[in-house]
Order: sequence, then C-alpha cells, then structure tokens
Amino acid sequence: QSVLTQPPSASGTPGQRVTISCSGSSSNIGSHTVNWYQQVPGTAPKLLIHSHNQRPSGVPDRFSGSRSGTSASLAISGLQSEDEADYHCAAWDDSLDGVVFGGGTKLTVL
Amino acid sequence: EVQLLESRGGLVQPGGSLRLSCAGSGFTFSNYAMNWVRQAPGKGLEWVSGISESGDTTHYAGSVKGRFTISRDNSKNTVYLQMSRLRAEDTAIYYCAKDLVAGGASWGQGTLVTVSS
Repeated sequence: QSVLTQPPSASGTPGQRVTISCSGSSSNIGSHTVNWYQQVPGTAPKLLIHSHNQRPSGVPDRFSGSRSGTSASLAISGLQSEDEADYHCAAWDDSLDGVVFGGGTKLTVL
Repeated sequence: EVQLLESRGGLVQPGGSLRLSCAGSGFTFSNYAMNWVRQAPGKGLEWVSGISESGDTTHYAGSVKGRFTISRDNSKNTVYLQMSRLRAEDTAIYYCAKDLVAGGASWGQGTLVTVSS
C-alpha cells in the first residue's frame, strides 16, 4: 500500500489530454514539493516535473504539473505514442522521515 | 553529464549479505544527498534509504531499518548500501538517485538483487 495514491492506469488517444492524480496528506504533498517521474519499462525513471510544476530542460511543454492542497496532478496534452510509460509521483514525508512514492500509473496510448 | 553507476548485484541466499555501491560523476558529489530506491518485479518504486551530503544524517524505510546501512565516501564520490539478513521480499532492482525530490534528480541504471535459495 503506497503512501501516495495514484490510479493504476490511464489511457487516451493520440492528441488527447490526460491527467494523472496523486493524493497524499499534510505530511507530504501538503508541505513538500512533488516530483513526477516517467519510466519506460525496462529503464530507470526519468525526471519529468519537479517542485510541483517545473520542467527540467529537454522535457516538452506538453507535460505540466500542479498541486492543490494535499493532491498533485500531472497533465499530458497532445498525447503521443511515445508517452506510453509508467508515471510515478514522489515527495518527502515528515511523519515517515523519508521519501514516499505513489504506486505508479500505467499510461496506455490507444 | 551526470552519471550514476551502480555495482553489479547478484543472487544471494536468504539471510545473506550484499554491499552495493554507486559511483557518481559529472557533478559535485559532496553537495548532494543520495538515496537508494528499489523496484520489485512488476511493482512500483519504493524508497529504501537516504544519506545527507556530509553523511552525518541517514534515513531508512521501515522495511529495511536495522538490516540495511547506507554510507558514503565523498573522497571516492561513492555511496554504499550494505544489506544484511536479506529476505525474498528484498528481491528488486536497486537504483541510486541524487536529488530525489528536487530539481536535479538523476538515477542510475539500476542493479538486480535476487534473494533466493
């Protein structure tokens, strides 16, 4: 059971906009920044979004992040086949004194 | 370019021990906290342990506390994970990562640890 809650799956057709949620609590998302990672099966996770809504250089602006209270969201617009991957949210947790992850969301591009 | 290179994992018997290492390059290693994260087959990511820049502060997930020890040698740009009393449920790909919940996050390629008799 992951501390951060993500839907196990999401899907969309090319060109669509998809949103993935990440629900936490006041000890993690409510008081610390959220990172989002993209993981293509068989490879290491790659940073997609940091500090709730900042994109590292090289990440397309189709990817955006937001936070509201104790929840965060990742939005992908103009969905492309190459976006098919697993997406993970992460944040520091004061109660556990460690980093917590969501269970991951498998995105399928139909 | 930031690079993190984990040592080879391997097959270990239940109750056994294994030490992983992760060498960093392309950044000032001593300026960053380092972490170990694992991923069991077909499962999500699980944070295992973290260590501060100087090495004087360490944190552990409850599932490994008392069995795993994280350490670092800034003169060698290397972070270690000493794993003892290994269990079948410790079987996973182990990744080292810098800046895990900040803007400079980078991950190694991962190394597979299998605990089985």
